[in-house]
Amino acid sequence: GAVVSQHPSWVICKSGTSVKIECRSLDFQATTMFWYRQFPKQSLMLMATSNEGSKATYEQGVEKDKFLINHASLTLSTLTVTSAHPEDSSFYICSAATSTLQETQYFGPGTRLLVL
Amino acid sequence: QKEVEQNSGPLSVPEGAIASLNCTYSDRGSQSFFWYRQYSGKSPELIMSIYSNGDKEDGRFTAQLNKASQYVSLLIRDSQPSDSATYLCAVNIGRGGSQGNLIFGKGTKLSVKP
Repeated sequence: GAVVSQHPSWVICKSGTSVKIECRSLDFQATTMFWYRQFPKQSLMLMATSNEGSKATYEQGVEKDKFLINHASLTLSTLTVTSAHPEDSSFYICSAATSTLQETQYFGPGTRLLVL
Repeated sequence: QKEVEQNSGPLSVPEGAIASLNCTYSDRGSQSFFWYRQYSGKSPELIMSIYSNGDKEDGRFTAQLNKASQYVSLLIRDSQPSDSATYLCAVNIGRGGSQGNLIFGKGTKLSVKP
């Protein structure tokens, strides 16, 4: 149980384009989803927290207009990197949590983004 | 600022030995603690959660929590080469009504030598 999927697993795009990443909880309803970014050899950095049906809460320093988060249902959240630039190249990982699982966060497999 | 501290390692142990991973945290009000394992290039995988003082055992893994000392550890018995990974300590700070906000340590890299 507690399986989280992400799609795509990796993406290469040109600078200036937008990229959408999907995060799905497959066998539970996630009241909260989290988006993290991890640069090489660094720890996970929380970007934003989203609750189903409400606006995401962004961490300090994360541009909400650049990283659009939509949490339209209890099983799906999307992160759109708008006008991506090479410095946005990173490993993006989502996680999902629910009160029935004691709010433990279960991570998706991650999406590796390379912006050329 | 709430922090979670871990020794970055690498921690090297021989196969079959006990690996001991340590973590300290700054927020005395923290209630939930987690250990995740992250293989290179992969996302974190939950190993253990612990909520109360003392030991919690699951197979070869034992998590230990001491809230008075703000200290949480993970012991891996009979270490295997497949245990070689980075181990992330995470603390739930329960900020702003959400119970799921985690603060991660930078991780300890474990290497188990055959």
